[in-house]
Amino acid sequence: GAGVSQTPSNKVTEKGKYVELRCDPISGHTALYWYRQSLGQGPEFLIYFQGTGAADDSGLPNDRFFAVRPEGSVSTLKIQRTERGDSAVYLCASSLSAGTGNEQFFGPGTRLTVL
Amino acid sequence: GQNIDQPTEMTATEGAIVQINCTYQTSGFNGLFWYQQHAGEAPTFLSYNVLDGLEEKGRFSSFLSRSKGYSYLLLKELQMKDSASYLCAVRDPGNNRKLIWGLGTSLAVNP
Repeated sequence: GAGVSQTPSNKVTEKGKYVELRCDPISGHTALYWYRQSLGQGPEFLIYFQGTGAADDSGLPNDRFFAVRPEGSVSTLKIQRTERGDSAVYLCASSLSAGTGNEQFFGPGTRLTVL
Repeated sequence: GQNIDQPTEMTATEGAIVQINCTYQTSGFNGLFWYQQHAGEAPTFLSYNVLDGLEEKGRFSSFLSRSKGYSYLLLKELQMKDSASYLCAVRDPGNNRKLIWGLGTSLAVNP
């Protein structure tokens, strides 16, 4: 079966613009995670969904960032008024559930560049 | 606070064995993961340890000592394709659904 997919693979935008990043998890996976990764760093947790609800959004840096998962499958990460510091690779991961031991499967990421 | 330490870089020779260490300081423990990440690609799962001891999976093995807050990833019969970053992550003891990630160890395998 297909793995986690993310679109677009690359996004270049100008400071102040709005962007949407899409994640399509593995079918049947109820848990979905968004991470941000800068060069030479480990993934930085942003938000986690269990089903349709955001179970933990404590990693979102500020209120310019928002994510939804309206039908418990595809998720969209939305960034308003982008800043140059938002430039990073945005990774999405899914797992069967959030239970202990369940590995997270990562998508290829979206490389966001804010000029 | 929660903290994970890994060496930044390591170099090894094709065919050799390399051990990548990870130490963690957390208020509790619910499991440790190792992921491999090639440049420009997403992390891929390698191993999961929750009990003390060695877990072997082909050329890769992972060890855990909970009393020492210590794990290592052992790579045998190194191949050029093993050149990648190796990430250690532990479950956040305050929130079991979150992972706390190390910065990763960049391994270069030379011929």
